[in-house]
Amino acid sequence: AQSVTQPDIHITVSEGASLELRCNYSYGATPYLFWYVQSPGQGLQLLLKYFSGDTLVQGIKGFEAEFKRSQSSFNLRKPSVHWSDAAEYFCAVGAGPAGKSTFGDGTTLTVKP
Amino acid sequence: DAGVIQSPRHEVTEMGQEVTLRCKPISGHDYLFWYRQTMMRGLELLIYFNNNVPIDDSGMPEDRFSAKMPNASFSTLKIQPSEPRDSAVYFCASSSSRGSSGANVLTFGAGSRLTVL
Repeated sequence: AQSVTQPDIHITVSEGASLELRCNYSYGATPYLFWYVQSPGQGLQLLLKYFSGDTLVQGIKGFEAEFKRSQSSFNLRKPSVHWSDAAEYFCAVGAGPAGKSTFGDGTTLTVKP
Repeated sequence: DAGVIQSPRHEVTEMGQEVTLRCKPISGHDYLFWYRQTMMRGLELLIYFNNNVPIDDSGMPEDRFSAKMPNASFSTLKIQPSEPRDSAVYFCASSSSRGSSGANVLTFGAGSRLTVL
């Protein structure tokens, strides 16, 4: 069975600073990988996804993520964080039927002014 | 499309009462998922449907929980009787297996926050 680990429960960065959120997955084959963002009181919104091909994927809101098979990682990055990026971020791995994804426990991002 | 629509957004009920949560998926999506989110357990997949047929309900906590999808545009999650430990945010999500760009991508509703007193 697949699993996802997000080692950082909470991260605080200053506005304008760079950001990296870590995600490690466990899956026997090439997985579908996702990052979702959840703002307070809202559902999850897709930031980006990796299915195959180029291992560096671009998403919405200036986010990108890099798939590293050798490290079983799919870390999320943003060069300059904005206050509106404060939210909870979930990494997910999908396998099998469309959307049957397993989620990590999430990383809460706080942005300092 | 208005996205995935869930109702009610908030529900407060007393232990032992029946609770029904509702979901309208995105038109044309052939998969529908029910997730539960709690601080202790994170996001858990409860059940999912394909073309209105339940495929995997192994995540349903116990017999008090049931889900139906009578047609492609409507699903319900019912808890009877409800207990305080059922308090959580319940999310409905849908996806389409058609087209490589959309496959496996979940579109979530805003969630139904359930409080059982």
